[in-house]
Amino acid sequence: KAGVTQTPRYLIKTRGQQVTLSCSPISGHRSVSWYQQTPGQGLQFLFEYFSETQRNKGNFPGRFSGRQFSNSRSEMNVSTLELGDSALYLCASSLARGNEQFFGPGTRLTVL
Amino acid sequence: DQQVKQNSPSLSVQEGRISILNCDYTNSMFDYFLWYKKYPAEGPTFLISISSIKDKNEDGRFTVFLNKSAKHLSLHIVPSQPGDSAVYFCAASDSGSARQLTFGSGTQLTVLP
Repeated sequence: KAGVTQTPRYLIKTRGQQVTLSCSPISGHRSVSWYQQTPGQGLQFLFEYFSETQRNKGNFPGRFSGRQFSNSRSEMNVSTLELGDSALYLCASSLARGNEQFFGPGTRLTVL
Repeated sequence: DQQVKQNSPSLSVQEGRISILNCDYTNSMFDYFLWYKKYPAEGPTFLISISSIKDKNEDGRFTVFLNKSAKHLSLHIVPSQPGDSAVYFCAASDSGSARQLTFGSGTQLTVLP
């Protein structure tokens, strides 16, 4: 089975811009979660989607949003980018009843 | 307030010996625990997990031990191999928000040949 894929792998944006990141889960996985990894804060949960519905949300401002499509693919959007949004954004997928999450390689976002 | 703590930022072990990575948690609602391994520029790779109804789970060279009363878990790698050198994260979740993983800060394991 192919693993979780994320595009793009690297992205450079400037402050104030917006960005959309994409994630394709493992085939058959219907749950997609997003995490942010920074040197200072470590790995932090952003949100989780299941059957096109956001089921869970972490402690991030409303500038961070996401959606899931009927084929379980997910996108994450960050508007009005700030320097502090520079991070590795990781997507993870899991089975509907599974606790184990399987991560993609991440998208490295740099905000200048 | 860190709910999952890995107090050792780094650990060095000789090849062939046992590596023991430790993790403590404070949230008593956590009932599922996982260990991930991460190489630079890659996403975390799932290693092994344990439910709170168990106190040990084994998979090949990897064994996870859970001590609920102490709110402590550990990952044992025996024997350690140079390819095990990576950052190891423990993570926890509770049944109410099963897919919201709370991660520790990670431990860099270096296995010396």
